[in-house]
Amino acid sequence: NAGVTQTPKFRVLKTGQSMTLLCAQDMNHEYMYWYRQDPGMGLRLIHYSVGEGTTAKGEVPDGYNVSRLKKQNFLLGLESAAPSQTSVYFCASSYQQGEAKNIQYFGAGTRLSVL
Amino acid sequence: QQQVKQSPQSLIVQKGGISIINCAYENTAFDYFPWYQQFPGKGPALLIAIRPDVSEKKEGRFTISFNKSAKQFSLHIMDSQPGDSATYFCAASIETGANNLFFGTGTRLTVIP
Repeated sequence: NAGVTQTPKFRVLKTGQSMTLLCAQDMNHEYMYWYRQDPGMGLRLIHYSVGEGTTAKGEVPDGYNVSRLKKQNFLLGLESAAPSQTSVYFCASSYQQGEAKNIQYFGAGTRLSVL
Repeated sequence: QQQVKQSPQSLIVQKGGISIINCAYENTAFDYFPWYQQFPGKGPALLIAIRPDVSEKKEGRFTISFNKSAKQFSLHIMDSQPGDSATYFCAASIETGANNLFFGTGTRLTVIP
């Protein structure tokens, strides 16, 4: 059981380049989330999705876009990367209802550097 | 603006000692308070959580103390072990809706043998 898988694990971009981060979960979770983790800032929510075909903005959405075309996948896109987007990105997922809704399962992260 | 404030930023404890991490929040709509543990190179994982209708929750060596009137909660790790060395994040959320988590800034705990 893989859980939440993020690809790639590492990436270096030049300013202005674009890229897509992929998150895949095999737990049939309804909810999916993208966070960024920066030193001294903790984790901050970028975008989230409560179901296939739906997305919403989190705390720090600027400069990012997302799509949830399939229930198991949540994509995070950077159209024109900036050095301020250098960070570690985490994807998480959870169930929709019940006590299990409160447990977010995280992937291992993608370390992105923008030069 | 950090919705959940966490301290200290780092903590060094001797093996067998008690580790204490504190968090405070402002939004009284928060009704779920989890703690996540993160090891280097890994994603965070849920450790323990509490709701504001109780003042304390204990799971093994880990205890959350909750003070609703002060809008503060803390994690106590009893008999701290080197294997507890990790970064700990407190968080808060509103259970209705998407249950988005607002994280504290993290505490790096080092337990020395």
